[in-house]
This record gives sequence, structure tokens and C-alpha cells, in this order.
Amino acid sequence: AQTVTQSQPEMSVQEAETVTLSCTYDTSENNYYLFWYKQPPSRQMILVIRQEAYKQQNATENRFSVNFQKAAKSFSLKISDSQLGDTAMYFCAFMRSDTGTASKLTFGTGTRLQVTL
Amino acid sequence: KAGVTQTPRYLIKTRGQQVTLSCSPISGHRSVSWYQQTPGQGLQFLFEYFSETQRNKGNFPGRFSGRQFSNSRSEMNVSTLELGDSALYLCASSLVGRLGYGYTFGSGTRLTVV
Repeated sequence: AQTVTQSQPEMSVQEAETVTLSCTYDTSENNYYLFWYKQPPSRQMILVIRQEAYKQQNATENRFSVNFQKAAKSFSLKISDSQLGDTAMYFCAFMRSDTGTASKLTFGTGTRLQVTL
Repeated sequence: KAGVTQTPRYLIKTRGQQVTLSCSPISGHRSVSWYQQTPGQGLQFLFEYFSETQRNKGNFPGRFSGRQFSNSRSEMNVSTLELGDSALYLCASSLVGRLGYGYTFGSGTRLTVV
């Protein structure tokens, strides 16, 4: 079974600054996907960024980037130029990549990020 | 393009009753999954449906069930409600064969059992 660990329950960052959220996972799989989801007070889970395990290049999406260390089973999220709208719960998630079969997301416990003025 | 629609947004039920939650996936998405979110247990996978068939199931008691219709809309049912079933229930949909692109979630149904 896979497990996902987010060791930072809460974090705070000032507007325009950079913050890094940590995530580690445990799996015996070689091929899988990793995701960061954001859940604002509106409750909807929003996909922030995704990474395919077989790709060595770290994924980036505008102000969001990841540091994917496969050997260390680490998948951290860096948010640059933080904005007030980034305030939310952030969840790291793992999914096996068995093609054509059902696959579920395994989530970490989340990190509550507060962006302040 | 409409997102994943879940109804109702809020629901209050009495212990022992049953409840049905509805989820309409994004048009063209045929894979629908359900998750339960609670402060204590976090986000937990309930089940996943594709082509009206349950393909994967989480570790929940048989009181939790679901189904998917031919138009990919899905419902989940919880019978004999317990106080511990109070949670946010999230539905997510995805294109089959493109699960690696991630699921799109709805805004959830907040169920309160009293």
C-alpha cells in the first residue's frame, strides 16, 4: 500500500515571497503519478500541478514548480511570488499508473497555507 | 464547459436514515470516483465507477454503495447513517485512459448526521 506524508500541518508566507511545501511518499511501484491539489474555502479540490514518475524533469506551472526526487521519494511544491489567492489547504497525492485499470488517489493529510500581507 | 456538479451542497440527516448523493461528471468523462473527507481521517477513497461498473473500492463498510448510469452520472448511497458518517463527500471525474492527467473534483456535498 502507498502512503503519503505531509509533515507541515500549517505554513505562513508573506505576499510576493516564496514558500515550499514538503511531501514524501512510500511505494514499491516504479511508475506512478504525483499531484498537488489545492482546496480553498470553497471546498473544491483544484489540480495545481502533476508529475509523471518516469520523467526526470521537474514539472512547472506558472508560479508553481515541484522538486521531484524519485530515489528519496520526495515531491515538494514551490510557490513563487505568493498571492493572497494562494491561501488554501494543499494536498499531495499519489496514483499508480497502471494503464487501463482503475486507479485511486492516495492523499496526504494536507498543509494549510496562509498568505499574509 | 461545465465542471463536476454535485447535489445537494448541504444535507442534514438523522442517525439511522439513509441518504443519496448525486454527481454529474464533466461531459465526456466516464470515470467517476468518490472520496470522503473528514478532519480525523482526511481524504479517503470510497469507490470508482466506469461504464456502470465498480472497478475499485476502498475500505468502507457495505452501508456505502454507489452506482453509475449510462450517461456517466453517479450516485452514492449511505444506509443506516451513523454520526461518524458526517463528512464532506467529494466526487471526481476523469477521461478514461488519461487518469494521469488528474481528476477534476466537484465542490462536494457536506453531510451532517445528527
